[in-house]
Amino acid sequence: KQEVTQIPAALSVPEGENLVLNCSFTDSAIYNLQWFRQDPGKGLTSLLLIQSSQREQTSGRLNASLDKSSGRSTLYIAASQPGDSATYLCAVRPAGGTSYGKLTFGQGTILTVHP
Amino acid sequence: DGGITQSPKYLFRKEGQNVTLSCEQNLNHDAMYWYRQDPGQGLRLIYYSQIVNDFQKGDIAEGYSVSREKKESFPLTVTSAQKNPTAFYLCASMDLLSGSIYNEQFFGPGTRLTVL
Repeated sequence: KQEVTQIPAALSVPEGENLVLNCSFTDSAIYNLQWFRQDPGKGLTSLLLIQSSQREQTSGRLNASLDKSSGRSTLYIAASQPGDSATYLCAVRPAGGTSYGKLTFGQGTILTVHP
Repeated sequence: DGGITQSPKYLFRKEGQNVTLSCEQNLNHDAMYWYRQDPGQGLRLIYYSQIVNDFQKGDIAEGYSVSREKKESFPLTVTSAQKNPTAFYLCASMDLLSGSIYNEQFFGPGTRLTVL
């Protein structure tokens, strides 16, 4: 059974710092990995989706990498801002015809960026 | 605007009541999903549906029921059999039948259910 783990569970950094969030998964048979942002009491917003054949994806100050063979992904946030404060979740989509698009989520990393 | 709507935003249930959470999407997606989120935890899959009139149990389906009579709608009923229903419920949809592995899952704003 696929398990997804995110480290650290919480992170507090000063504004301007570069930071890395980690996600690991136990089964490398995946189609893709998605990083989401969740603000308190809100739904999930997709940040980046990396296909299993890709090594990284970039969007603005965000860069996500994927090492499928080792079951690891990282989300790098450059020059963090207080507006980046949120919970960040990673999710994997298992490969195979019976997966039906189901995602397996990690528990999330709560990020606080203080001025 | 294309997207997913969930209603109500907040819902209060008395012991022994069934309540229904609404989820509607206008993205023309074939697949829809219901997840439950508890404090400090990730999302867990309750039910999912690939096409109209078909749905499957997820990891934590006990005490829940769904229907999929229309492509746009996937309501979730939390029954009195669900022992601990207080949680944040999220609905999602995805273009699955196109066969692309590049498609993202999109989420609604959520419904917070509290048992009184």
